[in-house]
Order: sequence, then C-alpha cells, then structure tokens
Amino acid sequence: GENVEQHPSTLSVQEGDSAVIKCTYSDSASNYFPWYKQELGKGPQLIIDIRSNVGEKKDQRIAVTLNKTAKHFSLHITETQPEDSAVYFCAASMNSGNTPLVFGKGTRLSVIA
Amino acid sequence: EAGVTQSPTHLIKTRGQQATLRCSPISGHTSVYWYQQALGLGLQFLLWYDEGEERNRGNFPPRFSGRQFPNYSSELNVNALELEDSALYLCASSLEAAWTQYFGPGTRLLVL
Repeated sequence: GENVEQHPSTLSVQEGDSAVIKCTYSDSASNYFPWYKQELGKGPQLIIDIRSNVGEKKDQRIAVTLNKTAKHFSLHITETQPEDSAVYFCAASMNSGNTPLVFGKGTRLSVIA
Repeated sequence: EAGVTQSPTHLIKTRGQQATLRCSPISGHTSVYWYQQALGLGLQFLLWYDEGEERNRGNFPPRFSGRQFPNYSSELNVNALELEDSALYLCASSLEAAWTQYFGPGTRLLVL
C-alpha cells in the first residue's frame, strides 16, 4: 500500500521568511495530493491540493509542487506570518472513490515574530 | 454553509466500555470517512461509508465499527475500549467520487 514520508517534523522560521515542507510517496499510481493545516484543538483544514496532471499550483502565499518521476511533492509558504504556525499534513491518494488518503506524520511549523 | 459537525467534543470512558461518536457531513456530501489521530501521530484511516455502505476499512480490529444513516450522517462505535484507544477521532466528508475531504473538529476520546 501507499506510504507517505514527511520532513521535517518541526520547522521554525522568522516572520517574513519562507517555509518548505517536503513529502515523498511510494505508490506511483497515486494521483491526488492535498495539504492540510491543523491548528491546536481543531480539525485539519484543507489549504491546497494538486492532481498529478499538473506540476505546480499556487494560491496567494501558498504553493505546492509535484515531481511524479521522483515521487515527491512540497509545500511552500512565502512571507510567513505568526498565524501560519500550526501542524501541516501532506497526504496522497490513488483514487478517493476506492482508496483512502494516506497521511504523513505532520510538520509543526512555528513562525517567530 | 455549515461544515462537518461532530459530537460529543469530548468523551471520557473506562476500559471495557463502549463509545459512540457521531458525525454530520456537509450538506450534499454522501461519503463519510473516520480517522484516528493518536497523540504525536498522523491520521490513521479507520472507515469509509458511502450511500449507507461500508466501502473501505483501515487496519483496525473489528471492535471499531460504524454505520451511515439515510441522511448520510454517521456514527463510529468502539467496543471493549482499551487505554490505547485514547485519541482524537476525526470525521471527514466528500462529494461522491470527489477527492476533496473536509474535516470536522473531532471528538477527543479519553479511556481511563
């Protein structure tokens, strides 16, 4: 089955700097890659997702890149703000209709003001 | 539009008891997913229901079960509770055959 590795487990950046979180997946058939942000005491919130027919997607300060050949995808947050501090999870799925999302173990991002 | 709702927010049980957790999906969503998030760990897939049927199941023992009602709400039952069942249980919903899952706030279960 699918296995998703996420690095780093913790990340501290100065406010205004960029943050990058990387994930690798094992199943080459996976074709959907969402990223979730989980704040303390809340459920995960979808922040961006990418499908395997595109290599990059951007939404304001957040971008995700996908390298299908290397089987890895990354989350990029630019101009970080204190409210970006949270735990971020990547996930991969072959087809949500028949297989579940497989999540990485999360990255705790701290943005220092 | 209301998001995914879960009840109760917190639940305290003792070993051997049964726990029932409830989830209401976003209006129009027919698929409901359950995940377990133990402290310090990622999200582990438990169960997936769609149109009232169990479609997929994660690597959990049979004492974890559930069902989906005609209005697409769902409940998760955990029998014979063990200490290691203490975790945040998250419910997510999606449109049928859609890839995007939206999560509720979770139910925090504590087994003493």
